[in-house]
Amino acid sequence: AQTVTQSQPEMSVQEAETVTLSCTYDTSESDYYLFWYKQPPSRQMILVIRQEAYKQQNATENRFSVNFQKAAKSFSLKISDSQLGDAAMYFCAYRARDDKIIFGKGTRLHILP
Amino acid sequence: DTAVSQTPKYLVTQMGNDKSIKCEQNLGHDTMYWYKQDSKKFLKIMFSYNNKELIINETVPNRFSPKSPDKAHLNLHINSLELGDSAVYFCASSQVGSGSGNTIYFGEGSWLTVV
Repeated sequence: AQTVTQSQPEMSVQEAETVTLSCTYDTSESDYYLFWYKQPPSRQMILVIRQEAYKQQNATENRFSVNFQKAAKSFSLKISDSQLGDAAMYFCAYRARDDKIIFGKGTRLHILP
Repeated sequence: DTAVSQTPKYLVTQMGNDKSIKCEQNLGHDTMYWYKQDSKKFLKIMFSYNNKELIINETVPNRFSPKSPDKAHLNLHINSLELGDSAVYFCASSQVGSGSGNTIYFGEGSWLTVV
């Protein structure tokens, strides 16, 4: 069965600095999708960034970028120029071909002013 | 217009009651889901429907019964509510094979508290 592991339950970063959240996953499939979702205190799930496994190029969305290492099954999220509004829970997620999306347990990110 | 909307947003009810949460999506997606997020924030899939057909049914007590009258709606009915059912329930939808990378879009969540 596929699993998603986020080894950092909590992280802190100074405002305007860069932080990297780690995520590893386990799968035997070659075709899949990876996502990072942000969940602020309002509990709304907000898509931050997505990556198709067949694409070698790392996805980027403004201040958010990923480091996708398919062989290592690693999918880390880098947030540049951290802002107070980035404070939230961040979930890494894997979508299998059978349509089930599996979430990691989340990393709570604190932004220090 | 909200893409995935679910009602009610907040629900406080007594143990033993029966309650329903409704979900509607206007994205034209053919797949809808229910996820449960417990107090430890762990998100777990409960059910998945594709074109009104049940696709995924995780190990969920049979007190939980999803119903999909059409592909734009997926409701969740819970019988004989227990304290452990207290959680945030998320409805979501996606379109497999779409250009959006099979992204799953979530509703705002329904906060269920059983007292």
